[in-house]
Amino acid sequence: RKEVEQDPGPFNVPEGATVAFNCTYSNSASQSFFWYRQDCRKEPKLLMSVYSSGNEDGRFTAQLNRASQYISLLIRDSKLSDSATYLCVVTFNTNAGKSTFGDGTTLTVKP
Amino acid sequence: GAGVSQSPSNKVTEKGKDVELRCDPISGHTALYWYRQSLGQGLEFLIYFQGNSAPDKSGLPSDRFSAERTGGSVSTLTIQRTQQEDSAVYLCASSLPGASNNEQFFGPGTRLTVL
Repeated sequence: RKEVEQDPGPFNVPEGATVAFNCTYSNSASQSFFWYRQDCRKEPKLLMSVYSSGNEDGRFTAQLNRASQYISLLIRDSKLSDSATYLCVVTFNTNAGKSTFGDGTTLTVKP
Repeated sequence: GAGVSQSPSNKVTEKGKDVELRCDPISGHTALYWYRQSLGQGLEFLIYFQGNSAPDKSGLPSDRFSAERTGGSVSTLTIQRTQQEDSAVYLCASSLPGASNNEQFFGPGTRLTVL
């Protein structure tokens, strides 16, 4: 079993749709959680951190459930520019250290 | 300010040759990470540095892979006797531990092709 698992997708949605991605992690000692975005043939960039209380940034909402070892990302009112691969990332130290990336979920938003 | 830079951007080599990949992190970032990404795959963790020391080398695929960091800045990843399965994009990232979100900033990567 992989340490971090994601819905493989691909997700193909129309503009304006709401889409949710899921991610599970196996190490209960994990401490920090993130969603990164990677455009085709580009480097990953931080989208948002994920906190136990849940957090929202505009159209994006991230949730963490430590008991179930589950992370989610919700995108509302999808835009064409949201098309990318979304990577779930888990780190085992809040300060620095090994980060484990999921294989990513590919989203394509169509007109 | 300048981001993470990597060189070369592309490297084509013959099987059995040694290659050296370079990463220049963001100035002041004490943590540095190496990953590799094969086509259509996720990122595979290789190694990370805190300053000049590497607390976690668990991701290095074999003893043909080594990395070093000097002066708490530039890092080099060396692959000896390259094999075709080493072909991938090698990504470097740096971060500032203690920052509120420990964000990793990635370089553009080195695309390695082993013929």
